[in-house]
Amino acid sequence: EAGVVQSPRYKIIEKKQPVAFWCNPISGHNTLYWYRQNLGQGPELLIRYENEEAVDDSQLPKDRFSAERLKGVDSTLKIQPAELGDSAVYLCASSSHRGQDTQYFGPGTRLTVL
Amino acid sequence: QKEVEQNSGPLSVPEGAIASLNCTYSDRGSQSFFWYRQYSGKSPELIMFIYSNGDKEDGRFTAQLNKASQYVSLLIRDSQPSDSATYLCAVRGSKKLTFGTGTRLTIIP
Repeated sequence: EAGVVQSPRYKIIEKKQPVAFWCNPISGHNTLYWYRQNLGQGPELLIRYENEEAVDDSQLPKDRFSAERLKGVDSTLKIQPAELGDSAVYLCASSSHRGQDTQYFGPGTRLTVL
Repeated sequence: QKEVEQNSGPLSVPEGAIASLNCTYSDRGSQSFFWYRQYSGKSPELIMFIYSNGDKEDGRFTAQLNKASQYVSLLIRDSQPSDSATYLCAVRGSKKLTFGTGTRLTIIP
């Protein structure tokens, strides 16, 4: 069984530029999560989807961050414009049923904002 | 008070010894508890989960949960150099999974 797929693995951009991250969850997993992990910290939830519906986006900085999961499978997380403080690893995870099951993480995208 | 607290370490353990990792949480309504291992530059990988008070064993790993004390731990027996990593405790409350900052474990050959 294929795991969670993310791309790109690394991204370096200058501040004020836009950036997008893509995630394909484990097949059959209805719940998808985007996390941000700063160095030396645990992952922090940005947004959770149940199928195509964002059911928890309370931690998403909505002035510059947006996310979508149009067909309830793949998801994209966007930052526009990026700031220096956005440098982090962005992790996508998925679980099989309404967020109650174990979450499995993708390899992450390491973002560096210069 | 942080929702999930872990000693950041580093914790150094001789090869072959038992490594003990601890985690406390603040939400008494928390229902499930997870331990993830994260190698440097990699994403978190699930090791174990536990829902009920007591111990749960899986190979060299034992998770222990005490809901009255709001405490969960992970024991690693016969520690190997490959166990050197950061161990993240995660607690599922009513709304989301919250991670601790992780404990960095180093196994000394």
